[in-house]
Amino acid sequence: ETGVTQSPTHLIKTRGQQVTLRCSSQSGHNTVSWYQQALGQGPQFIFQYYREEENGRGNFPPRFSGLQFPNYSSELNVNALELDDSALYLCASSPFPSETQYFGPGTRLLVL
Amino acid sequence: GQQLNQSPQSMFIQEGEDVSMNCTSSSIFNTWLWYKQDPGEGPVLLIALYKAGELTSNGRLTAQFGITRKDSFLNISASIPSDVGIYFCAAGGKLIFGQGTELSVKP
Repeated sequence: ETGVTQSPTHLIKTRGQQVTLRCSSQSGHNTVSWYQQALGQGPQFIFQYYREEENGRGNFPPRFSGLQFPNYSSELNVNALELDDSALYLCASSPFPSETQYFGPGTRLLVL
Repeated sequence: GQQLNQSPQSMFIQEGEDVSMNCTSSSIFNTWLWYKQDPGEGPVLLIALYKAGELTSNGRLTAQFGITRKDSFLNISASIPSDVGIYFCAAGGKLIFGQGTELSVKP
């Protein structure tokens, strides 16, 4: 059984650019959640996708957007990057919303 | 907003010692989880708790879901060097995380 995978592993962007991060959910899981983890902090919930629809959003601005595809993989898009967007972005999948979430290894984003 | 208060922030112990950390909240949650995170990696699930009062073990790890549904603790018995890492409590459906407990184990 394949776990949650994320790509790329590392990314460097400059302020104002746009970035797309990708996540493949664990087999049998139809729910994907995205989290932002700043250095030395716990992860912060960005949003959750269930059956291709957004199913809850945390306190993040609209320039953070996402998609979920029919195979339940997901993308996180961030527009107009700011320096504070530098963080580890984590994707987690679960069989259904509110069920136990399993995390991928994350994508480390650095904004210069 | 909702937040989890996790303590202690860090622990430095000798190999073989037992460890205890806890998490409290002013809000009620129906699910409590404990994760371990190594540097540069994603959190790995250790224990999931679904019922108030539930006590669950996973090897040397034991966790309890508080009866009030506002707290949880994690115990690690007979610590070993590979227990080193950051431990996070988390709660809810759209997970809210504590600030983490950084554990260092001296051989």
